[in-house]
Amino acid sequence: DTAVSQTPKYLVTQMGNDKSIKCEQNLGHDTMYWYKQDSKKFLKIMFSYNNKELIINETVPNRFSPKSPDKAHLNLHINSLELGDSAVYFCASSQDGPTGELFFGEGSRLTVL
Amino acid sequence: AQSVSQHNHHVILSEAASLELGCNYSYGGTVNLFWYVQYPGQHLQLLLKYFSGDPLVKGIKGFEAEFIKSKFSFNLRKPSVQWSDTAEYFCAVFDYKLSFGAGTTVTVRA
Repeated sequence: DTAVSQTPKYLVTQMGNDKSIKCEQNLGHDTMYWYKQDSKKFLKIMFSYNNKELIINETVPNRFSPKSPDKAHLNLHINSLELGDSAVYFCASSQDGPTGELFFGEGSRLTVL
Repeated sequence: AQSVSQHNHHVILSEAASLELGCNYSYGGTVNLFWYVQYPGQHLQLLLKYFSGDPLVKGIKGFEAEFIKSKFSFNLRKPSVQWSDTAEYFCAVFDYKLSFGAGTTVTVRA
């Protein structure tokens, strides 16, 4: 019974393409996040949504557009993919009220060729 | 902006050895502190957390961490590691967002 699930787990695509990663959580949490983990394992927050509203947007290129149709889903769409977008993207969720205790999905490894 | 520094990039040790990973953060105000662990090929999991109270916190799998406010530190310890503790360990600090350190790769040799 996966708490935070992401699809797809692996994505290989060409430069210039547009791709999406989907995330769903069944924990009843109000806040969801996207993190990017680069090749050196460094984790950086990209976006945070609380109850479908954007609350954190960390200087991410506007080629990245998150969408939250409801509080259980947070999708990430990426336009015009670049080589530097290759990374593992982690979705996470947390209870309402900021604490920092996050539950992470298994990650989506994006490879841009 | 909050910054988190982890002292060790890669630690290699033998089973039954003791482990200590250093973590320092920059912000002087009230923060929540965490250690997350990422086992090979898996997602991040919470190892332990500190919000307030006893500065010595115990987590899962025999890990503990000590918050020393005067040193802005939150070091992780385990008295006796096992092969299964091989993983990436991340210190993280929450003020309005969760910021991670660069991570420490721990390799435990059988």
